Amino acid sequence: GAGVSQSPSNKVTEKGKDVELRCDPISGHTALYWYRQSLGQGLEFLIYFQGNSAPDKSGLPSDRFSAERTGGSVSTLTIQRTQQEDSAVYLCASSLVTTTGELFFGEGSRLTVL
Amino acid sequence: KQEVTQIPAALSVPEGENLVLNCSFTDSAIYNLQWFRQDPGKGLTSLLLIQSSQREQTSGRLNASLDKSSGRSTLYIAASQPGDSATYLCAVASSNTGKLIFGQGTTLQVKP
Repeated sequence: GAGVSQSPSNKVTEKGKDVELRCDPISGHTALYWYRQSLGQGLEFLIYFQGNSAPDKSGLPSDRFSAERTGGSVSTLTIQRTQQEDSAVYLCASSLVTTTGELFFGEGSRLTVL
Repeated sequence: KQEVTQIPAALSVPEGENLVLNCSFTDSAIYNLQWFRQDPGKGLTSLLLIQSSQREQTSGRLNASLDKSSGRSTLYIAASQPGDSATYLCAVASSNTGKLIFGQGTTLQVKP
C-alpha cells in the first residue's frame, strides 16, 4: 500500500485478555518501529526491527509485551493478560533505513482495556 | 540519556502571524532531527528531516533549523493559517542507541 497500515484501528477488551495489533509497513522499508502514546503523554518507544531482527527491545514495558516481524514486512505486537494501564494508542512507523531515514507513521491502534 | 524538550507546550496565535516552535535535546550525538505534525486522533505526519550535517531544511511555509552543538532546533511557520492548528513534535535519532526520542510536543492553535 501507499502508507503504513495498522489494524485494528480500535480495540476494546477486558482486563486479562490477550490482544494482537498488526502493522503493515510501506513496501521496501527495512526498519519498523512501535511506539505507545498514552492520553496526554508523549510517544514512548517500545521496539524497533531492522529486517526481521529486533536489535533493541528495551522499551517493552513488561514481559507481557512481545513483538515479531516476519518476512521483513508485517509486524505483530502482542499484549498478554492486558491491564488497564495498557490503554493507549499504539503507533507503528517504518523507514527505508534505520536511524537516518524519514519515519512514516500509521494512524495507530487505539486500545481500551476495561 | 537523551532527553528532548519542547517549549512552549501550547501556543495560540491569530491567523497570519509568523511563529517559532522550539526543541532542545541534551545529547548532541544524533543522526538526525525530525519535525512531525499530529492532528487529533491521527497518526504523525513527517514535516521536515534534518540530517546531523545539515543546518536547515525548508518546505513551503515551514523552515526548520538545527544547531547540534547547542542542542537546539526551531521550526518556523510563516503566515500561519487555521489549518496549521495541530500538535507539533520533534524527535531526535540518537547515534548512540539508534532510537528516535520524541519531545512532548507543542499544541498550536491558529485563530481565524
